[in-house]
Amino acid sequence: EAGVAQSPRYKIIEKRQSVAFWCNPISGHATLYWYQQILGQGPKLLIQFQNNGVVDDSQLPKDRFSAERLKGVDSTLKIQPAKLEDSAVYLCASSQNTGLNQPQHFGDGTRLSIL
Amino acid sequence: DAKTTQPTSMDCAEGRAANLPCNHSTISGNEYVYWYRQIHSQGPQYIIHGLKNNETNEMASLIITEDRKSSTLILPHATLRDTAVYYCIVRATGNQFYFGTGTSLTVIP
Repeated sequence: EAGVAQSPRYKIIEKRQSVAFWCNPISGHATLYWYQQILGQGPKLLIQFQNNGVVDDSQLPKDRFSAERLKGVDSTLKIQPAKLEDSAVYLCASSQNTGLNQPQHFGDGTRLSIL
Repeated sequence: DAKTTQPTSMDCAEGRAANLPCNHSTISGNEYVYWYRQIHSQGPQYIIHGLKNNETNEMASLIITEDRKSSTLILPHATLRDTAVYYCIVRATGNQFYFGTGTSLTVIP
């Protein structure tokens, strides 16, 4: 089966600019996750969707980050305006559902550099 | 949330078994243990998961102690391509994956 697709692979912007990332999960996966991974650290969950609804966005900096999954399939994550500390890899993952016995499958991420 | 403790780094000779330990002493009865690995510039790759019993798949074996307070991931015949950061994760309530900083495994020729 095709894996989680993310684009772009790399993005370089200046601080205070806006940026958007796209994710297409594995076909049939109801649950979608966005993670932020800062260099040298493990991924940190930003937001979790179940179909087109938000399950958990407690770690999402809502003053500048937003995410949507309007049709319950693909998703976009936006940062506006970007800060230097947003430089990181943004990973998307999906799972069949929210069950504890369901592994998450990750894309290769978008590497964001803020100048 | 149950957290995990892993060694920061380990070495393993190519062709030998790599045994990666993980402590999760505060794990709850219904929480699964997951293992992922991450190779540079790639996303985390799912390896294996288990609840109580030992598990084996084409990639690895997972040994969970009877009290479930620790586990070991076994790569039976390590190759250079197994060099990666390995994360041991306990699936917390609310379905959160807490990755921590993992174990950096280096397979030596």
